[in-house]
Amino acid sequence: ETGVTQTPRHLVMGMTNKKSLKCEQHLGHNAMYWYKQSAKKPLELMFVYSLEERVENNSVPSRFSPECPNSSHLFLHLHTLQPEDSALYLCASSQDRLHPANTGELFFGEGSRLTVL
Amino acid sequence: AQKVTQAQTEISVVEKEDVTLDCVYETRDTTYYLFWYKQPPSGELVFLIRRNSFDEQNEISGRYSWNFQKSTSSFNFTITASQVVDSAVYFCALSEGGANSKLTFGKGITLSVRP
Repeated sequence: ETGVTQTPRHLVMGMTNKKSLKCEQHLGHNAMYWYKQSAKKPLELMFVYSLEERVENNSVPSRFSPECPNSSHLFLHLHTLQPEDSALYLCASSQDRLHPANTGELFFGEGSRLTVL
Repeated sequence: AQKVTQAQTEISVVEKEDVTLDCVYETRDTTYYLFWYKQPPSGELVFLIRRNSFDEQNEISGRYSWNFQKSTSSFNFTITASQVVDSAVYFCALSEGGANSKLTFGKGITLSVRP
């Protein structure tokens, strides 16, 4: 199995739907992240979890709701999204929350391609 | 505030050509870390290298080499004798040295290597 697995790989939803993205890491890491990748834009950090506690929320609209039930799983619950939310959503993990003392290396999943109609 | 600029958006080369991907960064910290990631068509970003601000020694790994110059705030990446498998989006990123550091990415450079 790859280190970080994301499902589904592709998702099409209407603006009134509720769906969830799932991320699972098999690396024994303590920190997990959600990033949004839109065309022609830098990766945007959305949420950071360290030891299952949310430590960062970068002004993300409430229609995105993260959940981290344990250190291996991370969810992104989606409801009443807008077409501009269409993007590639990447999950990543690191040994610990990004800190100068560690390598700073992030391990990414292949992403979930979301299309909002 | 930290910032990463990758002025090149798309580069197309023919196989076996050398190609350099530029990265310019801005930070007020004296301690910081620079990274390059590769994103192949499959989607996942793959870590290539990490360099801290106190180590300006250039690094070579096979066909890849990195040139870090603090005087120009640049951390450029060169692929020698490019191959089709090098086709990907390449991201430069910066992390400052504080306890709440975060990784800031550039917009990425799409490299296409034609046979």
